[in-house]
Amino acid sequence: GQSLEQPSEVTAVEGAIVQINCTYQTSGFYGLSWYQQHDGGAPTFLSYNALDGLEETGRFSSFLSRSDSYGYLLLQELQMKDSASYFCAVNRDDKIIFGKGTRLHILP
Amino acid sequence: GAGVSQSPSNKVTEKGKDVELRCDPISGHTALYWYRQSLGQGLEFLIYFQGNSAPDKSGLPSDRFSAERTGGSVSTLTIQRTQQEDSAVYLCASSLGSGAQETQYFGPGTRLLVL
Repeated sequence: GQSLEQPSEVTAVEGAIVQINCTYQTSGFYGLSWYQQHDGGAPTFLSYNALDGLEETGRFSSFLSRSDSYGYLLLQELQMKDSASYFCAVNRDDKIIFGKGTRLHILP
Repeated sequence: GAGVSQSPSNKVTEKGKDVELRCDPISGHTALYWYRQSLGQGLEFLIYFQGNSAPDKSGLPSDRFSAERTGGSVSTLTIQRTQQEDSAVYLCASSLGSGAQETQYFGPGTRLLVL
């Protein structure tokens, strides 16, 4: 079968760093994506890792370890506007399979 | 167009009625996807189009759900004899191609409420 596991909720303080983990089990794995979704909004693409290692885009970084079937999204210098749900997704050659999402709460 | 558009943005219907949801993908995008998202839940894959054909219909919950895409552009998701459990946000996404590395661009969704 196939599955993605990520925490349902994470809480962090404004200005801090937070890591959202994702483990997966799937066939036909090509890469791991991360999407952000604000309340009432549409998901938007954040990052994609096809190879092991860290990809950095501004305050956001994403990591993948294919041997461990594990990845994470790292958010630095947290801002209140980062309060949203974050979805990891497995990219297969035929479709993307999304996890259930992690709700990030940011405290002032 | 500038982005993926969906209509209607909101739809309230009575149980047993049929509904049609429309998606206009980004111009030139060959792949189109439909997802369903219940309140506070993840994205449930429904169906995927490459051009006008649907290689993967595995996510459609029942035979009351169908979708078509014409001219390689606009897609319509039809739900027949709606049930209360069909209430959700229906999201459409498109991508330039269907490769694994392609980014999906999402529309704002249609919020369906079945009374």
